[in-house]
Amino acid sequence: GAGVSQSPRYKVAKRGQDVALRCDPISGHVSLFWYQQALGQGPEFLTYFQNEAQLDKSGLPSDRFFAERPEGSVSTLKIQRTQQEDSAVYLCASSLAGPSDYGYTFGSGTRLTVV
Amino acid sequence: SQQGEEDPQALSIQEGENATMNCSYKTSINNLQWYRQNSGRGLVHLILIRSNEREKHSGRLRVTLDTSKKSSSLLITASRAADTASYFCATVPGYSSASKIIFGSGTRLSIRP
Repeated sequence: GAGVSQSPRYKVAKRGQDVALRCDPISGHVSLFWYQQALGQGPEFLTYFQNEAQLDKSGLPSDRFFAERPEGSVSTLKIQRTQQEDSAVYLCASSLAGPSDYGYTFGSGTRLTVV
Repeated sequence: SQQGEEDPQALSIQEGENATMNCSYKTSINNLQWYRQNSGRGLVHLILIRSNEREKHSGRLRVTLDTSKKSSSLLITASRAADTASYFCATVPGYSSASKIIFGSGTRLSIRP
């Protein structure tokens, strides 16, 4: 597609529920990133894939967060047993090559609200 | 944690005036980037400046980088109502050639008609 596509656009989850957020990057983009953005704050890094390899997951806040990109294209961010503090916008971005060389293209994000 | 700090946190100016936002960071960098985010939307990449560059232009945007002071500035000239958005600086740490971009906390820019 023309841009990075994320779904769903909005998700309301009851506390304790599992959620799965999908990211469809730009075709051919090697690098894929997940960020978490709280209201009024800058995006915080979660994890980074180069093709199907997860090269950095240092930003995942707990073992309830899990991300995968099994075929090197679509990625899923899964949050198990959601908590209220997980409420945020989850942004996905992709890049043609390494993050050092080009800017990222971001999706519109998934706004997760845990009630 | 966030590496960059933007200054000011919020800025309101009259349409047609110039807007200047500053960013300070903590570690050595490979490059620094500026992004814009409209309310409820994803971020849009504006401009990238490498650590060996001092100034870069793109349309109405001018970015400077001072690595000795670990700071950057973004100047938007002849502002328009459509420039109303949050602006973030983002750095790629110099110690890692293949890692994440780290964002600052942003400047909220409002352009008054």
